[in-house]
Amino acid sequence: QSALTQPASVSGSPGQSITISCTGTSSDVGNYNLVSWYQQHPGKAPKVMIHEDSKRPSGVSNRFSGSKSGNTASLTISGLQAEDEADYYCCSYAGSFTWVFGGGTKLTVL
Amino acid sequence: EVQLVESGGGLAQPGGSLRLSCEASGFSFSSYAMSWVRQGPGKGLEWVSAISASGGSTYYADSVKGRFTISRDSSKNTLYLQMNSLRVEDTAVYFCAKREPGQFFDYWGQGTLVTVSS
Repeated sequence: QSALTQPASVSGSPGQSITISCTGTSSDVGNYNLVSWYQQHPGKAPKVMIHEDSKRPSGVSNRFSGSKSGNTASLTISGLQAEDEADYYCCSYAGSFTWVFGGGTKLTVL
Repeated sequence: EVQLVESGGGLAQPGGSLRLSCEASGFSFSSYAMSWVRQGPGKGLEWVSAISASGGSTYYADSVKGRFTISRDSSKNTLYLQMNSLRVEDTAVYFCAKREPGQFFDYWGQGTLVTVSS
């Protein structure tokens, strides 16, 4: 149950696009189409932004999109806005009803 | 409106015990699997435990296996986490989360802080 690997931080200017990567293994990310992404503002509970690799829950802006290739999943945020500044975590189902999270990425909107 | 409200956190000594509760409302609690996820101070999220909708199946992260027990009472719409043999490294905010069939967590509580210290 090793954590998925995410960059510690990313940044971008308003209106730009950024991508956060999430690298796992063939036992988790690469084995299931079950990667989800969570946004967490300081002191708040996480909020799901993407599930099942690329599905967006109702109410989540279409500026958020997810994709996956092999053992690496990605979250792309287009048209960056100030309110997107937060921590982002990927999570993958790892089989046998266990889950593994990434270490988290701090997004700074310059 | 779905609501999950955790309680039971606090200060415990190493080797001690605490029981967390998560009261659910706004959805059919007995129809959904649930999980506990924790976040150490300044750290990332860590999945801790899961329980099936019926309560008949339970699952644990290696870091808590044999020390923590997850359970649920559908008559009270409440999820529990019994934490025994607590360690300093168990210090964290503990969130309960509702799990969707797509193996993701769609609703989270606000969290309850557990501090393990002598």
